[in-house]
Amino acid sequence: AQSVTQPDIHITVSEGASLELRCNYSYGATPYLFWYVQSPGQGLQLLLKYFSGDTLVQGIKGFEAEFKRSQSSFNLRKPSVHWSDAAEYFCAVAGTNLASKLTFGTGTRLQVTL
Amino acid sequence: NAGVTQTPKFRVLKTGQSMTLLCAQDMNHEYMYWYRQDPGMGLRLIHYSVGEGTTAKGEVPDGYNVSRLKKQNFLLGLESAAPSQTSVYFCASSYSKFRREFVYEQFFGPGTRLTVL
Repeated sequence: AQSVTQPDIHITVSEGASLELRCNYSYGATPYLFWYVQSPGQGLQLLLKYFSGDTLVQGIKGFEAEFKRSQSSFNLRKPSVHWSDAAEYFCAVAGTNLASKLTFGTGTRLQVTL
Repeated sequence: NAGVTQTPKFRVLKTGQSMTLLCAQDMNHEYMYWYRQDPGMGLRLIHYSVGEGTTAKGEVPDGYNVSRLKKQNFLLGLESAAPSQTSVYFCASSYSKFRREFVYEQFFGPGTRLTVL
């Protein structure tokens, strides 16, 4: 079974600063990887995904993530954070077998200061 | 399109009461899911359905039942609510046409906040 770890519970950045949210996964092969965002009082929205191929993937709202097999990581980045990016971010992993389900990390809450 | 909608948005129950949460999607998705979200635990899968008339257990199914009589609706029932079921419940849907991996691109509803006293 797969698992995912988000080591940072809460991160605060200044508006305009760069952002990196960490995600590490455990799976016996290359999994499918995702980042979801949850704005306050809302459901989750898919930011980006990695299935295969290019290890740097682009998503919505200016976010990108890089898959690093050697580090079992899929960190989320944004060059310049906007106040509207304040939200909770969830990394998720799914195995490649037919029975696999999506497993979510515990989330990282991002606060943006002006 | 409304996407995924959930009814009700908030509910307070007493221990032992029953209730049903309704999820509806208008995207003609095959797959539907119920998750619960608790502080510090992320989202955990309760039950899911891969099509009309079929349901299966997820990670934390105890104390819940589900039904999918129509493709667009997925109901989550609590027969005898317990304080441990206080949580925020999310419904999601997805489809697998074109690529199986699309199953994991899930569309979420806004959630139902349930408190059991």
